[in-house]
Amino acid sequence: GESVGLHLPTLSVQEGDNSIINCAYSNSASDYFIWYKQESGKGPQFIIDIRSNMDKRQGQRVTVLLNKTVKHLSLQIAATQPGDSAVYFCAEPFSGGYNKLIFGAGTRLAVHP
Amino acid sequence: NAGVTQTPKFRVLKTGQSMTLLCAQDMNHEYMYWYRQDPGMGLRLIHYSVGEGTTAKGEVPDGYNVSRLKKQNFLLGLESAAPSQTSVYFCASSRPGTAFDYGYTFGSGTRLTVV
Repeated sequence: GESVGLHLPTLSVQEGDNSIINCAYSNSASDYFIWYKQESGKGPQFIIDIRSNMDKRQGQRVTVLLNKTVKHLSLQIAATQPGDSAVYFCAEPFSGGYNKLIFGAGTRLAVHP
Repeated sequence: NAGVTQTPKFRVLKTGQSMTLLCAQDMNHEYMYWYRQDPGMGLRLIHYSVGEGTTAKGEVPDGYNVSRLKKQNFLLGLESAAPSQTSVYFCASSRPGTAFDYGYTFGSGTRLTVV
């Protein structure tokens, strides 16, 4: 499958810069949030997640920040590389359990050399 | 490689035709899902299954049917395809618990065009 999302908002950054991708979520009762990366022609891949009782979580070159007051999530990518070019989605649990997820619309990250 | 395999990768259907999308996983996951992805929108849940022989409706189930006769396979059927079903379809699987603890494994998608 090829990537979709021709009408997604796009964030353009220079290689080596830091990137910040934002997401607004809907359910104040969600107890965790996940960020996925989708490269062209591939399915989404897990990047990092965060529980609702945390404000910040760091991974390798990525940091997720959670602001429950305004129901906002952000993904920060340090020293952005060409391989980071992809569509990024946030996701939160769907009601009713069974690991069902609701996905945001996504943001396309374009990294320029 | 272990993971989720979707077939076919591409398909063009005429309005009114039927077809079945196949999803196979070799990770012994209990839960399986079908999502669709449309331009400018996030993935939306069509149907899901929490075990062999079980299926349930998701957010956008109309026009689709599913079956889970074997634990490793989850089939998505379109009985009478409509142009509104043009989309990219993703299958995913997970273990019981939360997606936070175990995560999803996604297939690479099926691009379906209905003309």
